[in-house]
Amino acid sequence: DGGITQSPKYLFRKEGQNVTLSCEQNLNHDAMYWYRQDPGQGLRLIYYSQIVNDFQKGDIAEGYSVSREKKESFPLTVTSAQKNPTAFYLCASHTGPYTEAFFGQGTRLTVV
Amino acid sequence: AQTVTQSQPEMSVQEAETVTLSCTYDTSESDYYLFWYKQPPSRQMILVIRQEAYKQQNATENRFSVNFQKAAKSFSLKISDSQLGDAAMYFCAYRSARSGETSGSRLTFGEGTQLTVNP
Repeated sequence: DGGITQSPKYLFRKEGQNVTLSCEQNLNHDAMYWYRQDPGQGLRLIYYSQIVNDFQKGDIAEGYSVSREKKESFPLTVTSAQKNPTAFYLCASHTGPYTEAFFGQGTRLTVV
Repeated sequence: AQTVTQSQPEMSVQEAETVTLSCTYDTSESDYYLFWYKQPPSRQMILVIRQEAYKQQNATENRFSVNFQKAAKSFSLKISDSQLGDAAMYFCAYRSARSGETSGSRLTFGEGTQLTVNP
């Protein structure tokens, strides 16, 4: 079945560490997105990519980095520069403005 | 920039009753799409219903329908015959229809409304 897979489901980060969240899709979608979800704030856009080897910053990109070397993969790195990384992270993809955006099951990141 | 506002952080409804969730948005564009997503306790985002701004007819999907008021920039979701499985966080979202938009076809979300269904 086609879909988006995020891993791991839970991730713990020590202070000063970089961690990478995985997002893989087999839907042949061009556009991929990373959102951060905090209580009471909805989903906020971190980074997005509309094509391989190209990506743009969203609203809250500071302290994050991404790559898009393959159409299927859009990993997100949470760097030590991100001062408040504890949140739920969602990856999404779609083919066009009207089409349904498919979401992964999310990664819960906690700083310990 | 577009903004989406959901003014009801929490709502509750009795099983089998009807509930309406509110959403307003702000945009200078004339062509766009609006969505309602549901996020149950599993946290998987599920599309409930979508509406094209150029269509005057309100979208319906089984027990779910919208009241789209373009001039008022309002997009409410009505859930009829509420079921226990409808309990979830509901998000209203906006997406531009402009191709080549530098921000991509991003979804802009509201803050969410937590719906409780009482048996």
